[in-house]
Amino acid sequence: DTGVSQDPRHKITKRGQNVTFRCDPISEHNRLYWYRQTLGQGPEFLTYFQNEAQLEKSRLLSDRFSAERPKGSFSTLEIQRTEQGDSAMYLCASSLVVGGEQFFGPGTRLTVL
Amino acid sequence: KQEVTQIPAALSVPEGENLVLNCSFTDSAIYNLQWFRQDPGKGLTSLLLIQSSQREQTSGRLNASLDKSSGRSTLYIAASQPGDSATYLCAVRASNSGYALNFGKGTSLLVTP
Repeated sequence: DTGVSQDPRHKITKRGQNVTFRCDPISEHNRLYWYRQTLGQGPEFLTYFQNEAQLEKSRLLSDRFSAERPKGSFSTLEIQRTEQGDSAMYLCASSLVVGGEQFFGPGTRLTVL
Repeated sequence: KQEVTQIPAALSVPEGENLVLNCSFTDSAIYNLQWFRQDPGKGLTSLLLIQSSQREQTSGRLNASLDKSSGRSTLYIAASQPGDSATYLCAVRASNSGYALNFGKGTSLLVTP
């Protein structure tokens, strides 16, 4: 039984570069969530997919951020023109049913220099 | 917006003690509440999920209670062990505003041998 996986686990980039993260949910889960967590804080919601449809986006998801889930399986989160304030842990979660238990991946740690 | 508060922010106990972690939320219209554990630099591990119609859930040495009317939940850890040392996060899903989990900042627990 594989859990939620995320790739890469760590990413260091220079300000202004674009980065893309991947999330593979638990295989039978069609609900997928992205969160961002900064040091000493709880995770903050970014966006939610049901199958391939993006049903909810937080105001935190500025126009530099875009998320996709083209075939309703894995998802990607892209950040364009990265800023130092984007440095954070990006967490992906999945659930079997809406409102069900959310299972989280190990996260991708982004550092913007 | 749902605000989630966790008290205390940090806690240190000797091995073997029973302990209680507290979580409060401002809007009692919740769908469910989930407790997580997070080890340093890692993702979140789901511990317990309590639906809004439930009063408590148990898993091994863990017991979580929910009092919606007062906006409170507690996580009880029995016979604490050094391996329980981690940050414990409480998250609430509102029943009337989307799919996101709203997290507290967590309680950092240290269990000393």
